[in-house]
Amino acid sequence: QKEVEQNSGPLSVPEGAIASLNCTYSDRGSQSFFWYRQYSGKSPELIMSIYSNGDKEDGRFTAQLNKASQYVSLLIRDSQPSDSATYLCAVNMGGGTSYGKLTFGQGTILTVHP
Amino acid sequence: KAGVTQTPRYLIKTRGQQVTLSCSPISGHRSVSWYQQTPGQGLQFLFEYFSETQRNKGNFPGRFSGRQFSNSRSEMNVSTLELGDSALYLCASSSSGFGELFFGEGSRLTVL
Repeated sequence: QKEVEQNSGPLSVPEGAIASLNCTYSDRGSQSFFWYRQYSGKSPELIMSIYSNGDKEDGRFTAQLNKASQYVSLLIRDSQPSDSATYLCAVNMGGGTSYGKLTFGQGTILTVHP
Repeated sequence: KAGVTQTPRYLIKTRGQQVTLSCSPISGHRSVSWYQQTPGQGLQFLFEYFSETQRNKGNFPGRFSGRQFSNSRSEMNVSTLELGDSALYLCASSSSGFGELFFGEGSRLTVL
């Protein structure tokens, strides 16, 4: 079992729809969770961080965390073609001792078509 | 505010050679992490430095090493290059080192 698993893609949604990206992780002691976006040929950029159970909203993005189920998700509302990218789920495992060490999922490729 | 700067951006080496990559973090950031990205393995953690101390290390052979200077700039070195070391090497800086990372554009290494 991989430490961080993301739903297999690619994911294709029409413009204006909601894109749902999912991620599960193996370490129950994990404390910090992140979503990064990576455009083709570019480096990852942080779009959301979440540390507590529940929802966290930032503009069109909502991150959801359920530590009991070891599950984190990212919802993108009103998807735009500019959202087309690879989305990487990242987890800081080790209960706070894994300084700077993020474990990344394989990524989900999202395509938003007009 | 300038972002994370990595040099060189591209380089080609042959097997057995060694390479040194450089990273200048965002001003004020004391944590620098290094990651390797390949199509097959994705993003994998190499090591993290904070105030010149290595705080964490990934599962890479000893051929991979790094260091951080007093001005927070960091270098990583790969000795005795192998074909499998061909990858994009990403440096990221953080104010705390707990996961909100800001990545540089990367150094793309090709080993022939």
